[in-house]
Amino acid sequence: EAGVVQSPRYKIIEKKQPVAFWCNPISGHNTLYWYRQNLGQGPELLIRYENEEAVDDSQLPKDRFSAERLKGVDSTLKIQPAELGDSAVYLCASSRGAENYGYTFGSGTRLTVV
Amino acid sequence: AQKITQTQPGMFVQEKEAVTLDCTYDTSDPSYGLFWYKQPSSGEMIFLIYQGSYDQQNATEGRYSLNFQKARKSANLVISASQLGDSAMYFCAMRHLDDKIIFGKGTRLHILP
Repeated sequence: EAGVVQSPRYKIIEKKQPVAFWCNPISGHNTLYWYRQNLGQGPELLIRYENEEAVDDSQLPKDRFSAERLKGVDSTLKIQPAELGDSAVYLCASSRGAENYGYTFGSGTRLTVV
Repeated sequence: AQKITQTQPGMFVQEKEAVTLDCTYDTSDPSYGLFWYKQPSSGEMIFLIYQGSYDQQNATEGRYSLNFQKARKSANLVISASQLGDSAMYFCAMRHLDDKIIFGKGTRLHILP
């Protein structure tokens, strides 16, 4: 089966500009996650979707970050406007929800804000 | 508070030797799952092994095994017969009933030829 697909792979933008990331989860995986991974750190959850519903967005900085998962499949994460501190790797993952099944992660989008 | 602690920021191990990566966790939930992920330089997170809190036996997956000591809240990863391709970041993670997975800060493993 195809894995979790993310694009773009890399993105360099100037501060105050908008940026968007796209994720296509594994077919049949109802749960989708966006994580942010700062350099030298473990991933931190930004938002979790069950189908098209955001069930946990408590860690999402809502003043500048937004996400959507229309039709419960693909998802986009947007930052507007970007700040220097947003430079990180943004990872998308999906899960079929089984208890002993780890998430399957995509390759991530490495964002650099200059 | 739920927390994962990995105390080894980096490790150097000779090829073919066994290596143990430490992980301790803190939770008040009776039911939880423990995971290990590998992150090579390419950036992708690769699922390695899972241990459920009620599992009686330690999980094993090929050269990977998880040394689960519940009373000590410890879930160390053991890699037997290390290979050069094992060089990567390794993350310990914990999953709760609310389906949220939290990660430790990771250990960077270097396998020396």
